[in-house]
Amino acid sequence: DTGVSQDPRHKITKRGQNVTFRCDPISEHNRLYWYRQTLGQGPEFLTYFQNEAQLEKSRLLSDRFSAERPKGSFSTLEIQRTEQGDSAMYLCASSLASDYPETQYFGPGTRLLVL
Amino acid sequence: GQSLEQPSEVTAVEGAIVQINCTYQTSGFYGLSWYQQHDGGAPTFLSYNGLDGLEETGRFSSFLSRSDSYGYLLLQELQMKDSASYFCAVKDTGFQKLVFGTGTRLLVSP
Repeated sequence: DTGVSQDPRHKITKRGQNVTFRCDPISEHNRLYWYRQTLGQGPEFLTYFQNEAQLEKSRLLSDRFSAERPKGSFSTLEIQRTEQGDSAMYLCASSLASDYPETQYFGPGTRLLVL
Repeated sequence: GQSLEQPSEVTAVEGAIVQINCTYQTSGFYGLSWYQQHDGGAPTFLSYNGLDGLEETGRFSSFLSRSDSYGYLLLQELQMKDSASYFCAVKDTGFQKLVFGTGTRLLVSP
């Protein structure tokens, strides 16, 4: 079990550019989550997939954000036309729906800095 | 809406016991979780309470009172490596997302 992995770990971009992050969940996990965390705050939920279906989306997820999980395994989060306010740590987590308690395991995150 | 309140910072010395409280207001409730996060690291699951009472996992214990919308994390025999941020998080009924508190920064000194 290699845990949740995310790529890249760090990303610096200029305002207005598009960025894409990847998350590879724990292999048997059918649920995948994206969260955003800013300094001194707890993670904030963005969106959630069960297999390939996107089932929940936060109001934080503006139309510049899109997430996919095409084959029910890895997921990508794309931010278009980045803004300085998008600077944050983007965390991915995965879980197995049949576990009790259903524990979300987090990846190391992608730290985004928008200049 | 949903909100969780935690103290912003707690300090203690090695070997001591510390309690981190969490009060929550949610429209529904499906369990209270605790996560540890070291600076620059990922949140790591520590404990879960679905029912009232105490759950013990090694040096860490967690307590829940659903009638009081209150829980706490108890850390015993503190070690320097326990210096980190600790977050309580609730799952709302009918939803899978976790709602996190703002976190408590624990500083353990020698």
